[in-house]
Amino acid sequence: NAGVTQTPKFRVLKTGQSMTLLCAQDMNHEYMYWYRQDPGMGLRLIHYSVGEGTTAKGEVPDGYNVSRLKKQNFLLGLESAAPSQTSVYFCASSKPLAGGNNEQFFGPGTRLTVL
Amino acid sequence: QKEVEQDPGPLSVPEGAIVSLNCTYSNSAFQYFMWYRQYSRKGPELLMYTYSSGNKEDGRFTAQVDKSSKYISLFIRDSQPSDSATYLCAMSEIIQGAQKLVFGQGTRLTINP
Repeated sequence: NAGVTQTPKFRVLKTGQSMTLLCAQDMNHEYMYWYRQDPGMGLRLIHYSVGEGTTAKGEVPDGYNVSRLKKQNFLLGLESAAPSQTSVYFCASSKPLAGGNNEQFFGPGTRLTVL
Repeated sequence: QKEVEQDPGPLSVPEGAIVSLNCTYSNSAFQYFMWYRQYSRKGPELLMYTYSSGNKEDGRFTAQVDKSSKYISLFIRDSQPSDSATYLCAMSEIIQGAQKLVFGQGTRLTINP
């Protein structure tokens, strides 16, 4: 099993450009999440999905859109990139809660720089 | 005020030392308390989690939760150079069955041989 994979690993954008980050998981998990990690801020939840075709806002959703057309994929889009979106983006997935902690499994991250 | 506060360090200790990492939180709705370990340029990995107040031990690691004080700790005994990483505390609320995690800032730990 590859677990959670993210594409691309690195990207440099100019202000105003758009791009899509792809997350894929092969663990048949229902739930998927997008986080951003900035120095001194920890990880912050951008959007999440509790199943195919459903998405919801997290703590810092502005400037991002997401789609979950297939259970195994979760896409994060930046329509008009801004320097404030320079960050490391992590995708995670988990199974539904069943009387215990539903561990989130993280991908390796995408390093995005917006100039 | 952030919901979860964690001293970012950095923290540097000699091999074999006992390490104590701590977080405080403000949201009484948090149900699960976790510690994630993140090696440089990697994604976080779950190290330990606890549900209730008290201690949980796993090898050289002990997680401690005090809900009355809204304080959690991670202790590492006989620390090894391979323990050098950033340690993130995280706490969760359950929304629609999904676990919404709130992370601390992370503490960068270095164990010196």
